[in-house]
Amino acid sequence: NAGVTQTPKFRVLKTGQSMTLLCAQDMNHEYMYWYRQDPGMGLRLIHYSVGEGTTAKGEVPDGYNVSRLKKQNFLLGLESAAPSQTSVYFCASFGAYGYTFGSGTRLTVV
Amino acid sequence: GENVEQHPSTLSVQEGDSAVIKCTYSDSASNYFPWYKQELGKRPQLIIDIRSNVGEKKDQRIAVTLNKTAKHFSLHITETQPEDSAVYFCAAQIKAAGNKLTFGGGTRVLVKP
Repeated sequence: NAGVTQTPKFRVLKTGQSMTLLCAQDMNHEYMYWYRQDPGMGLRLIHYSVGEGTTAKGEVPDGYNVSRLKKQNFLLGLESAAPSQTSVYFCASFGAYGYTFGSGTRLTVV
Repeated sequence: GENVEQHPSTLSVQEGDSAVIKCTYSDSASNYFPWYKQELGKRPQLIIDIRSNVGEKKDQRIAVTLNKTAKHFSLHITETQPEDSAVYFCAAQIKAAGNKLTFGGGTRVLVKP
């Protein structure tokens, strides 16, 4: 099925560890986004990309890095995880028919 | 950047009654306004959207209105049902700014049978 796939779905990290979240879309969309959602809050934009090889900062970029080496993939990296990064992370892509969201990654940093 | 405010944060209604959620946005360049429904542990699901050249749009029990002058838009759910219970988010998009979506803080709707 066409859509946005996020891996992993769940992860527990220790403070200071690093990890990469992968977002893959098969709709040939140019635009891709990483959001975080904290309990009881709306989604906040971390970083986004307007095409292969491009990245830009969103509303809450500190502590995260991203890469878009291939059009279909958008990677979100945490170099040194902190408890404040405990959240649910959603990836999304945008095309002619609007936004498509992935199913989310629940990350806990202990 | 864009700022979207959403009210109320919680809304409890009796089954069959109407529910109204209101949002305001700050950037007059915003031109697309989707509404999402999110159930616990799930991804946001688009339920209705409206573009800046339209004042109102309806889809069965759901309607959205947009007032560009006042920079606010509203979601109306009529004849509410228990399955309408969820968190609803409004959002605003600026096409010229990478098509970024800015979300409101959400409204938790509880429909009591």
